[in-house]
Amino acid sequence: DAGVIQSPRHEVTEMGQEVTLRCKPISGHNSLFWYRQTMMRGLELLIYFNNNVPIDDSGMPEDRFSAKMPNASFSTLKIQPSEPRDSAVYFCASRTGGPASGNTIYFGEGSWLTVV
Amino acid sequence: DAKTTQPNSMESNEEEPVHLPCNHSTISGTDYIHWYRQLPSQGPEYVIHGLTSNVNNRMASLAIAEDRKSSTLILHRATLRDAAVYYCILGRTANTGNQFYFGTGTSLTVIP
Repeated sequence: DAGVIQSPRHEVTEMGQEVTLRCKPISGHNSLFWYRQTMMRGLELLIYFNNNVPIDDSGMPEDRFSAKMPNASFSTLKIQPSEPRDSAVYFCASRTGGPASGNTIYFGEGSWLTVV
Repeated sequence: DAKTTQPNSMESNEEEPVHLPCNHSTISGTDYIHWYRQLPSQGPEYVIHGLTSNVNNRMASLAIAEDRKSSTLILHRATLRDAAVYYCILGRTANTGNQFYFGTGTSLTVIP
C-alpha cells in the first residue's frame, strides 16, 4: 500500500522565493492535515481539510501561508514569500472519516525545508 | 485545545517493560486517546488508541483510567528500536473538526 506521499523531500531556497509543498493522501482517505515541526515549537497543526474543504486553518501562521485541496488526491501548501523562520519539516497526514470519527491519522515522511 | 501532559523524558533498560504516562484532564466524553511515536528523521507513526476500555495490539498496550483523565502506554519489553518520542493525543470528535494536537511528547531512551 502506498502511504501518504510528499514532495519534495528536501528543499533549500532563498529568502523571498515561493515554496510549494505537495501531498498525495492515502487513497480513500477524506481528511487531510498539514503539520509543521521545529525544535522550538514541536509539531504544530497548520490546517485540516475534510472532503477537500478547509475545516480549521487557525494554525496557519500568517498570510504568507496558503493551502489548497483541489481534489481528493492532492493538496498543496504554499509559502510566498518564504523567510528563514519558515525552515522546518512539514508533514502531511491523512485519515478516513470525518470530524466525528476519531480515526487514526497516517503521516508522510515530511518535506524538509531550509530557507537561507 | 485538547491538552495533554507528558513527562519530557524517560529511560528504560532494554528488555524491560516501560510505562509512559499521560494526563488529559480536559478530555470530553467522546474524545479518543491516541498514541503516536516518532523515530528520528521520520514522521509520527500510529501506536495505539482507545476510548474507554484498555486496548492491546502487537506494538503495545493502552491502559485508560476509569475517569479517563489519564492513560498509560505500556511497552512490554523495550528494545533499542523503541527509542523515540512518544506523543499522547486526544482525537476530538466535536464538530469543530477533530483536530489532532500534538504536545511535546516523551523522549524515551532505551539503555542496552
